[in-house]
Amino acid sequence: QVQLVESGGGVVQPGRSLRLSCAASGFSFNTYAADWVRQAPGKGLEWVAFISYDGSNKYFADSVEGRFTISRDNSKNTVYLQMNSLRGEDTAVYYCARGESSTSPYSVYYGMDVWGQGTTVTVSS
Amino acid sequence: EIVLTQSPASLSLSPGEGATLSCRASQSVRNSLAWYQQKPGQAPRLLIYDASKRATGIPARFSGSGSGTDFTLTISSLEPEDFAVYYCQQRTNWLYTFGQGTKLEIK
Repeated sequence: QVQLVESGGGVVQPGRSLRLSCAASGFSFNTYAADWVRQAPGKGLEWVAFISYDGSNKYFADSVEGRFTISRDNSKNTVYLQMNSLRGEDTAVYYCARGESSTSPYSVYYGMDVWGQGTTVTVSS
Repeated sequence: EIVLTQSPASLSLSPGEGATLSCRASQSVRNSLAWYQQKPGQAPRLLIYDASKRATGIPARFSGSGSGTDFTLTISSLEPEDFAVYYCQQRTNWLYTFGQGTKLEIK
């Protein structure tokens, strides 16, 4: 079935780095964009980063711009979030979500229709 | 950055009643708006995309409307499983923002 599975979360000290992975299955991964969305404890959802289906376009929230990078390996059906210079406010559950198909017209917003179960990142000394 | 403001922050209703949730954008997002439902300990679930289209498998009691800056999610007759937090989300130029959420509670 269509599935996203995140991994790589854990406890990390402020200033250190962590890389999250999101493994996709059950669909043509290389034809869909992908996003990372996070949720701090007891808070709402915050979009973090976007990568296009072929990796040629990447966008970031202001709160992580310059510290986080996003990449994908379509041969492995996996998208990554490299998080550097981590801060306490980066503590959250990080979700991977399927974005729009490469064949979808931009004029229609199809939303994020498949989500992983999330992986928890705790930044603490 | 486009800011989405959801109202009310919380809503207390009984099963069988109808619910109306609002989402206002700080500038026009045309129809590029989605609604999600999230239950405790679970990932969000897409309900509505492109402002008014139901996602696959979403019951007909859920409907979305609006365009530009004002949007509404309507649940026609609440079922016990509908009590959750609801978020709106917009996409503009491949940048996204979420509203702060509306918590729908059982009265």
